[in-house]
Amino acid sequence: DGGITQSPKYLFRKEGQNVTLSCEQNLNHDAMYWYRQDPGQGLRLIYYSQIVNDFQKGDIAEGYSVSREKKESFPLTVTSAQKNPTAFYLCASSSFKGGGNTIYFGEGSWLTVV
Amino acid sequence: GIQVEQSPPDLILQEGANSTLRCNFSDSVNNLQWFHQNPWGQLINLFYIPSGTKQNGRLSATTVATERYSLLYISSSQTTDSGVYFCAVERSTLTFGKGTMLLVSP
Repeated sequence: DGGITQSPKYLFRKEGQNVTLSCEQNLNHDAMYWYRQDPGQGLRLIYYSQIVNDFQKGDIAEGYSVSREKKESFPLTVTSAQKNPTAFYLCASSSFKGGGNTIYFGEGSWLTVV
Repeated sequence: GIQVEQSPPDLILQEGANSTLRCNFSDSVNNLQWFHQNPWGQLINLFYIPSGTKQNGRLSATTVATERYSLLYISSSQTTDSGVYFCAVERSTLTFGKGTMLLVSP
């Protein structure tokens, strides 16, 4: 089935460690995104990529890094520089269909700092 | 940046009731989408509706782009409608509102 796969679903990180969240899509979408969601809040954009080997910072990119070496993959690294990383992370992808982008989300990854 | 405000922030309904959720935005947009987030965190795209009216079963949405608002109607609500409803608007990237949390009780 086509879709977006995020892993792991749950992740615990010690203070000072980097962690990488995986996102893979088989929808043949050009654009991919990472969002962060905090309790009771909407989604905030971390990074996005509209084409392989290119990506742009979103609203809250500090303390995060990404890569886009393949069309289907867009991993997110939460670095030790991110001071408050505990959150729900959502990966998404989209394609342009004659009039606009329809965006699809993965199931999310819960990151907790211990 | 563009501001997106959703109302009400919380809503409790009895099963079978109807409801209207509102999304106001501060500037012209290229795109507007409505999403439902279930209790497990999964976000599902409900409508892509930059303007006009669309219907899908018990749900319908209307966007009046010139007045910068959109409405999501839920009729004959069911317990499975519970969750958070997000409006998101796009100029270059999607900006989300804070959502409306809906609880439908049996």
